[in-house]
Amino acid sequence: EAGVAQSPRYKIIEKRQSVAFWCNPISGHATLYWYQQILGQGPKLLIQFQNNGVVDDSQLPKDRFSAERLKGVDSTLKIQPAKLEDSAVYLCASSSDRTEETQYFGPGTRLLVL
Amino acid sequence: DAKTTQPNSMESNEEEPVHLPCNHSTISGTDYIHWYRQLPSQGPEYVIHGLTSNVNNRMASLAIAEDRKSSTLILHRATLRDAAVYYCILRVVRGGGADGLTFGKGTHLIIQP
Repeated sequence: EAGVAQSPRYKIIEKRQSVAFWCNPISGHATLYWYQQILGQGPKLLIQFQNNGVVDDSQLPKDRFSAERLKGVDSTLKIQPAKLEDSAVYLCASSSDRTEETQYFGPGTRLLVL
Repeated sequence: DAKTTQPNSMESNEEEPVHLPCNHSTISGTDYIHWYRQLPSQGPEYVIHGLTSNVNNRMASLAIAEDRKSSTLILHRATLRDAAVYYCILRVVRGGGADGLTFGKGTHLIIQP
């Protein structure tokens, strides 16, 4: 079974630029999560999707971050404009449904904002 | 959100058992105890979870205190590949099915050869 795929793996941008990350969850997984992990800290949930609907985006900085999962499969997370403090690893995870207790994480996208 | 407390770091020798403690005194009756680990430059990886009874799987064992206010992850025979940050997490299902995990800083496990 293929795991969660993310791209790009690394990205370097200047502050005020825009950036987008892509995630392809495990086939058949209805629930998709985006987490932000700042160096030295544990991951922090940004947004949770169930199919193509948002379940929880309470910690998403909506003035600059947006995410979509239009067809209930792939998802894109965008930052516009980026700030220095957005430098982090962005992790995507998926699970088969809300009662599934295991989340499967991708390798992450490492973002550096200069 | 329910919180957990773990030591910042622990050190063990290769091929010896490792006991990683976790305190979760504010746990509620429906909260599952989950453990994930994160190897360097990788995403977190599920290890084990439980509710009330002790659990075993191919990776580890989970011992849960009778009052559920603490638990211990047991690696029976640590290898160098077990060096990672281990996170103890209480899985809470909130309104609308929101169940995103709340990670702390975890325990950095160092394995000496």
